[in-house]
Amino acid sequence: GIQVEQSPPDLILQEGANSTLRCNFSDSVNNLQWFHQNPWGQLINLFYIPSGTKQNGRLSATTVATERYSLLYISSSQTTDSGVYFCAVGLSGGYNKLIFGAGTRLAVHP
Amino acid sequence: EAGVAQSPRYKIIEKRQSVAFWCNPISGHATLYWYQQILGQGPKLLIQFQNNGVVDDSQLPKDRFSAERLKGVDSTLKIQPAKLEDSAVYLCASRDWGASGNTIYFGEGSWLTVV
Repeated sequence: GIQVEQSPPDLILQEGANSTLRCNFSDSVNNLQWFHQNPWGQLINLFYIPSGTKQNGRLSATTVATERYSLLYISSSQTTDSGVYFCAVGLSGGYNKLIFGAGTRLAVHP
Repeated sequence: EAGVAQSPRYKIIEKRQSVAFWCNPISGHATLYWYQQILGQGPKLLIQFQNNGVVDDSQLPKDRFSAERLKGVDSTLKIQPAKLEDSAVYLCASRDWGASGNTIYFGEGSWLTVV
């Protein structure tokens, strides 16, 4: 089956720092989403980005489908950015089930 | 717009007991998912419904887990008998295949501890 690998597994930042999270996937996908899981366990969709670049405030994401990777950029990080960031990919065809990576655990300290 | 509702939020049971989780998806969403998330891991899909039909249950341990979605709306996930390794968060999600149908919305999860 498709493999989804996220790096780094853990990241510690000082408030105000920038960071880049990476997601590599092993097969062609027609769906890629980034999620943030807050410390209470709620998963929030950040981006639907099977290709190209999108920006939302301090967050932006880029997917290069031909090279099978996606990047999530966090600028001017805040303590509220802490949590786990997941990349999930959907396979072409069928009902597009989402396969999640293991996540990047981010801690932003004041 | 109301989100995905799940209950109970927390449950502690002894091994070999049974438990059931309930999910009410966002109104009008045809696709419903149950995911299992073990501490420290990413969510793993257990079962996916399209309306009231199952389209993927390849990772559902069918000897102990069952799920149904009556009338294509609410869904229940049951575990019987529970094992220690079933301790996890059970996440329900729904998705609309309409014009904006590429976003999946998750509930807050049902946290299960098996002792």
